[in-house]
Amino acid sequence: DAKTTQPPSMDCAEGRAANLPCNHSTISGNEYVYWYRQIHSQGPQYIIHGLKNNETNEMASLIITEDRKSSTLILPHATLRDTAVYYCIVTSPSGTYKYIFGTGTRLKVLA
Amino acid sequence: DAGVTQSPTHLIKTRGQQVTLRCSPKSGHDTVSWYQQALGQGPQFIFQYYEEEERQRGNFPDRFSGHQFPNYSSELNVNALLLGDSALYLCASSFYLNTQYFGPGTRLTVL
Repeated sequence: DAKTTQPPSMDCAEGRAANLPCNHSTISGNEYVYWYRQIHSQGPQYIIHGLKNNETNEMASLIITEDRKSSTLILPHATLRDTAVYYCIVTSPSGTYKYIFGTGTRLKVLA
Repeated sequence: DAGVTQSPTHLIKTRGQQVTLRCSPKSGHDTVSWYQQALGQGPQFIFQYYEEEERQRGNFPDRFSGHQFPNYSSELNVNALLLGDSALYLCASSFYLNTQYFGPGTRLTVL
């Protein structure tokens, strides 16, 4: 499974878009990019995932570069409740599909 | 639709004791994965169960063992507890090799 690199922390003003980057330069062709967030030691919450194309759901948008070596999670209108640690994970549906977590990005949304 | 549930919520044990943690997967899910999250770290993969068998194991000693029942629920057992086993233990369920959904976790404190 490919490893990921994320900035340790970011701040974002409430109501503005939060753009969280993730590098996964060793990603292979069948590996998906997943994003989860964890709010204050609760269980990680699934946000979104993608393979090649950009994806959008009610929570966020996922932009994956054409070479797939990096991605950006976009929270379009951040609220105080979006303050959390965000994890980017790269994993393959082959094998056991285990998740390898890094230390994530601690996003703080400021009032 | 109930999500992933875990019990107990909190647990305090002393060194050398044994502990059993329980997980009920989300409805329709057949695969359970267990993770250990130490304070300030990302979750680490312990093992995964599918069809009542351990499919893959992370870098954890044999003191960590598990079981999956015919109804897909699962247990994590830890023998001979060490102080370093104090952590948040997370269970995640999925339908085979699809998106994993996490439970709220069990906070284990070893004194």
